[in-house]
Amino acid sequence: KQEVTQIPAALSVPEGENLVLNCSFTDSAIYNLQWFRQDPGKGLTSLLLIQSSQREQTSGRLNASLDKSSGRSTLYIAASQPGDSATYLCAVRQGGSYIPTFGRGTSLIVHP
Amino acid sequence: GAGVSQSPRYKVAKRGQDVALRCDPISGHVSLFWYQQALGQGPEFLTYFQNEAQLDKSGLPSDRFFAERPEGSVSTLKIQRTQQEDSAVYLCASSPIAGASYEQYFGPGTRLTVT
Repeated sequence: KQEVTQIPAALSVPEGENLVLNCSFTDSAIYNLQWFRQDPGKGLTSLLLIQSSQREQTSGRLNASLDKSSGRSTLYIAASQPGDSATYLCAVRQGGSYIPTFGRGTSLIVHP
Repeated sequence: GAGVSQSPRYKVAKRGQDVALRCDPISGHVSLFWYQQALGQGPEFLTYFQNEAQLDKSGLPSDRFFAERPEGSVSTLKIQRTQQEDSAVYLCASSPIAGASYEQYFGPGTRLTVT
């Protein structure tokens, strides 16, 4: 059974820092991996989707990398801002499955 | 355009009551998913619809949980005889195509509290 772990569970940083959030998964036979952010009391907003054949995806200040063989993905946030404060979740899908397995998330606070 | 909407946003139910949670997916989206998210956890899959067909209900925790999507658009998740362990946020997501390759778009969720 696929297990997804996110480290750290919580992170508090001053504004302007560059951040790395980690996601690891036990079964490397994934189809894709998706990073989401979740604001308190709200649903999930998709940030980046990486297909298994890709190594990374970028959107603005966000960059997500994928290393299937080692079962890891990282989400890099450049020049963090208070508006980046949220919980960040990663989810993986196995080949042939539409059901994602989510990690518990990293709760990020960026203070001014 | 409009995103995925869910209603009600908050629901308080006494133990033993039945509840119905509604999901309006993005118009034209083929796939619809329901998830349950307990406090401090990631979402857990409940069930999947492709149009009106419920292709997978393996994540439903008990026979008290029932979902339908009769016309292939709006979906309802019903929980009978609610129990305290049903307290969670219930998320709905839709996707424009069937299969795993495309991203899912999530609604804001319904927070269910069973007292």
